[in-house]
Amino acid sequence: DAKTTQPNSMESNEEEPVHLPCNHSTISGTDYIHWYRQLPSQGPEYVIHGLTSNVNNRMASLAIAEDRKSSTLILHRATLRDAAVYYCILNPLFAGGTSYGKLTFGQGTILTVHP
Amino acid sequence: EADIYQTPRYLVIGTGKKITLECSQTMGHDKMYWYQQDPGMELHLIHYSYGVNSTEKGDLSSESTVSRIRTEHFPLTLESARPSHTSQYLCASSEYGRGNEKLFFGSGTQLSVL
Repeated sequence: DAKTTQPNSMESNEEEPVHLPCNHSTISGTDYIHWYRQLPSQGPEYVIHGLTSNVNNRMASLAIAEDRKSSTLILHRATLRDAAVYYCILNPLFAGGTSYGKLTFGQGTILTVHP
Repeated sequence: EADIYQTPRYLVIGTGKKITLECSQTMGHDKMYWYQQDPGMELHLIHYSYGVNSTEKGDLSSESTVSRIRTEHFPLTLESARPSHTSQYLCASSEYGRGNEKLFFGSGTQLSVL
């Protein structure tokens, strides 16, 4: 399975944008890129996903490199509530076109937000 | 808003006891999963199910067992709890998809075996 590489930790100040990078150099053409985050003492929650084009939702933006070997999760204005572990995950497909859905969570990036 | 529930939220139990961790979802999802997570560590998939009467072992070997006799219910059982089973257990569910389906997680059960 294709793997992802993320920095162990990042820091940000409140109200500033945060760019969380992820490398996935062995990604295949049909792998979706997913981002989840886990707040302290909670289960992970979905943030955003994409395949080739950049994506925006109410939580964040996802910028995908043209060669798809890397992506960046963008939090436009960090708040204290955004302090969490952020996971970049690839969701591979069966040969028949459906996905396993068995997401592999790595170490993720611990985001600290300073007031 | 995720409609997936885990009970109990916390469980402290003695060695040798049989325990069942409950997980239910009201979203009609076919796929369900159990992950195990130690403090500050990665989540590891221990069991998954693609529908009723379907269960498979995950990437991390576990002494626990699961069953799926109803779509909405995916309980995890430990026949004889040991201190090494102390961990957080997270249940999740998703629809079938083509790589774009989202996983919804419960709040987890923190298990402590004395």
